[in-house]
Amino acid sequence: AQSVSQHNHHVILSEAASLELGCNYSYGGTVNLFWYVQYPGQHLQLLLKYFSGDPLVKGIKGFEAEFIKSKFSFNLRKPSVQWSDTAEYFCAVAFSGGYNKLIFGAGTRLAVHP
Amino acid sequence: DGGITQSPKYLFRKEGQNVTLSCEQNLNHDAMYWYRQDPGQGLRLIYYSQIVNDFQKGDIAEGYSVSREKKESFPLTVTSAQKNPTAFYLCASSPSRTGDEKLFFGSGTQLSVL
Repeated sequence: AQSVSQHNHHVILSEAASLELGCNYSYGGTVNLFWYVQYPGQHLQLLLKYFSGDPLVKGIKGFEAEFIKSKFSFNLRKPSVQWSDTAEYFCAVAFSGGYNKLIFGAGTRLAVHP
Repeated sequence: DGGITQSPKYLFRKEGQNVTLSCEQNLNHDAMYWYRQDPGQGLRLIYYSQIVNDFQKGDIAEGYSVSREKKESFPLTVTSAQKNPTAFYLCASSPSRTGDEKLFFGSGTQLSVL
């Protein structure tokens, strides 16, 4: 079955630390990849997406993600986090043959301490 | 002001009762989705619809029903057959039927069982 795995359920960092959140998916075909973020009390919103081309994609607020096809991974990174990055982060994958059926990972709660 | 409106924000269900969650969008989007969010499990797809009068089951459709009689509306009914309905329900829409555009999310409905 198609699935999306996020390795860390909770991450705690100090401001200015670097961030990397892991995301792996279970399928070897063509995929569309997304990272969404949910700030406290707000709607889910898109951070970045990858469909094709350069596997290193840049999103809003200094986030970036790298698609590594051989590892079925799409890890999210930020060189220096801020307190305002405290949120829950979701990786999501649309698999070929069902691109309109977006499958989400379990989410990672990030807490950034000043 | 364009967006997705979910109502009510909080809903309580008695044993054996059917309840309906409302989702309306004025974005002129073709595709609409219902997700269930449980702590530690991320978002799981219940139903989705790519066009009026058509919808497909997601991964956890049992105990739920939907209709798509109008483009702007995609109500979700939680039936008495759903034995564990307590969750946060998110509605989303997309301008694309093929999953290559981001999802726009509503603010959610928290359903609890009395």
